[in-house]
Amino acid sequence: KNQVEQSPQSLIILEGKNCTLQCNYTVSPFSNLRWYKQDTGRGPVSLTIMTFSENTKSNGRYTATLDADTKQSSLHITASQLSDSASYICVVSAQNAGNMLTFGGGTRLMVKP
Amino acid sequence: ETGVTQTPRHLVMGMTNKKSLKCEQHLGHNAMYWYKQSAKKPLELMFVYSLEERVENNSVPSRFSPECPNSSHLFLHLHTLQPEDSALYLCASSPLAGDSIQYFGAGTRLSVL
Repeated sequence: KNQVEQSPQSLIILEGKNCTLQCNYTVSPFSNLRWYKQDTGRGPVSLTIMTFSENTKSNGRYTATLDADTKQSSLHITASQLSDSASYICVVSAQNAGNMLTFGGGTRLMVKP
Repeated sequence: ETGVTQTPRHLVMGMTNKKSLKCEQHLGHNAMYWYKQSAKKPLELMFVYSLEERVENNSVPSRFSPECPNSSHLFLHLHTLQPEDSALYLCASSPLAGDSIQYFGAGTRLSVL
């Protein structure tokens, strides 16, 4: 069964600090992995997307890594800001699945001043 | 703004009511989706439409009835819902119902009393 597990479930950090969110998946055959940011009361917005051959991808202060061998991904946030407070969702797509996505439960990040 | 608009943003209904959720996208996409997001649970895919034809129905109860009159509009008709149906309902679109980034609307927060 395709699964995506995220950790931690929630995280509180101080403004300006860095943090790393984890995503482990069992989706097979793997197609790509995406990180979404979901602000409270809004829909998810894509941050990064990585295919099998990509190890790292950055989007401003967000850097995602992918280890397709161990089926792990991480999202690193540098110099956090209050606006980074949101849920971060890891989503994995399988090949031959007609765009069927497996969603992680998300990590709820709170950045405090 | 993601280009995907959902109305209403909030809806409270009794179990005997009939209501509809509306989704509209101005991105020229050919695929549209309905998702359910319950508290502390991963997003659940409900329906997928590609070129106005339903291509996926993840065993959703018949009290949820989708309608896609054209590639820009998607409806979710609701009737005789249960309290456990209370959730955030998200609409998304993508260029094709293949492997591509999905653009989400802000969602409709539904409460069933």
